Amino acid sequence: QKEVEQDPGPLSVPEGAIVSLNCTYSNSAFQYFMWYRQYSRKGPELLMYTYSSGNKEDGRFTAQVDKSSKYISLFIRDSQPSDSATYLCATAGGYNKLIFGAGTRLAVHP
Amino acid sequence: DADVTQTPRNRITKTGKRIMLECSQTKGHDRMYWYRQDPGLGLRLIYYSFDVKDINKGEISDGYSVSRQAQAKFSLSLESAIPNQTALYFCATSDVGEKLFFGSGTQLSVL
Repeated sequence: QKEVEQDPGPLSVPEGAIVSLNCTYSNSAFQYFMWYRQYSRKGPELLMYTYSSGNKEDGRFTAQVDKSSKYISLFIRDSQPSDSATYLCATAGGYNKLIFGAGTRLAVHP
Repeated sequence: DADVTQTPRNRITKTGKRIMLECSQTKGHDRMYWYRQDPGLGLRLIYYSFDVKDINKGEISDGYSVSRQAQAKFSLSLESAIPNQTALYFCATSDVGEKLFFGSGTQLSVL
């Protein structure tokens, strides 16, 4: 079993839709949770960062962590074509050693 | 200018050749990393370095070596390239936390 599982998609939605991206992880010691966004032929860029459980909101993006079920979510409201990218979840227990999910490819069509 | 610069952007080489991928950064971070990305497998850590005198193996270090020439420079070498090392390679940096900053990647093809 992989330490972080993520559905690779692809996920295709119309502009304006609410998008839900999800990951599960196996190690209950993980405390740091991140979402990275990766455009085609570019490096991943940090989108959201949370520590422990709870929600964090930044504009149209909300990151949610449920440690009891080992579940990580990213919600995108009012999705735009510019949101089309691959989204990678990542988690760590410390020492900068992140473990990444495989990434979910998202396409938002006008 | 990019904070994390990787060269080359693309490289095609033959089995058995030695190649080097280079990374330089202007972020002033002590910590540098090399990852490879394969479809369906995500990003996997090859090597990481917390300062100039510190080198650590990651999850998949076999067949690779690294050199930390300076705080700002971290290079990855494939001593004898093989086809299953065909992948997208990323260099990344971080400060003391877990937030990584990535370069634009090097697409390597080994024929």
